[in-house]
Amino acid sequence: DQQVKQNSPSLSVQEGRISILNCDYTNSMFDYFLWYKKYPAEGPTFLISISSIKDKNEDGRFTVFLNKSAKHLSLHIVPSQPGDSAVYFCAATYLGGGADGLTFGKGTHLIIQP
Amino acid sequence: GAVVSQHPSWVICKSGTSVKIECRSLDFQATTMFWYRQFPKQSLMLMATSNEGSKATYEQGVEKDKFLINHASLTLSTLTVTSAHPEDSSFYICSARAGTSMETQYFGPGTRLLVL
Repeated sequence: DQQVKQNSPSLSVQEGRISILNCDYTNSMFDYFLWYKKYPAEGPTFLISISSIKDKNEDGRFTVFLNKSAKHLSLHIVPSQPGDSAVYFCAATYLGGGADGLTFGKGTHLIIQP
Repeated sequence: GAVVSQHPSWVICKSGTSVKIECRSLDFQATTMFWYRQFPKQSLMLMATSNEGSKATYEQGVEKDKFLINHASLTLSTLTVTSAHPEDSSFYICSARAGTSMETQYFGPGTRLLVL
């Protein structure tokens, strides 16, 4: 049972445009969400996070939006740059339950075209 | 930044043998380390959480006698796949937490295991 879903295996965006990566979750207990970026042969690296008490968090070119009622979050990257080409994982956890580990989506491969 | 290494990065073994994978935090101490497994085109699945000096906590469906985890020091955790079978072939990735927040969980590059 996939509790975190990233339904787009890949996304191609032109350099300079906005990249929007989507993530849905089914477990209503999740209260903290993170996005990770992964290059080939490297481990995922933390990008940005959001708590369920917020609906938006911004860090430079990266903004994460959370819609709790729809159990949906999205990562916006603007403007997109060639170095953004990577696999992006959405992850969730339940801090209120003392959880330590993360539940990941399958990832979306973002390709930034020049 | 915080660096987590894994060794080996690639391992091929015969069915029935045991394989040990090491996870090290190179420039920080990690009281908690995590082991994940990723099958092709699937998400990273948490296998177990290990705390230094205590027994690992395994996720539901993960056999603790098959996947032995030892967190002997604040910088080293090992995962031993015992009596490996072809269905254990997967990508194993560890992470180490430097602090108390989720953002301080740093991932290793992963180990590709192929059991023949």
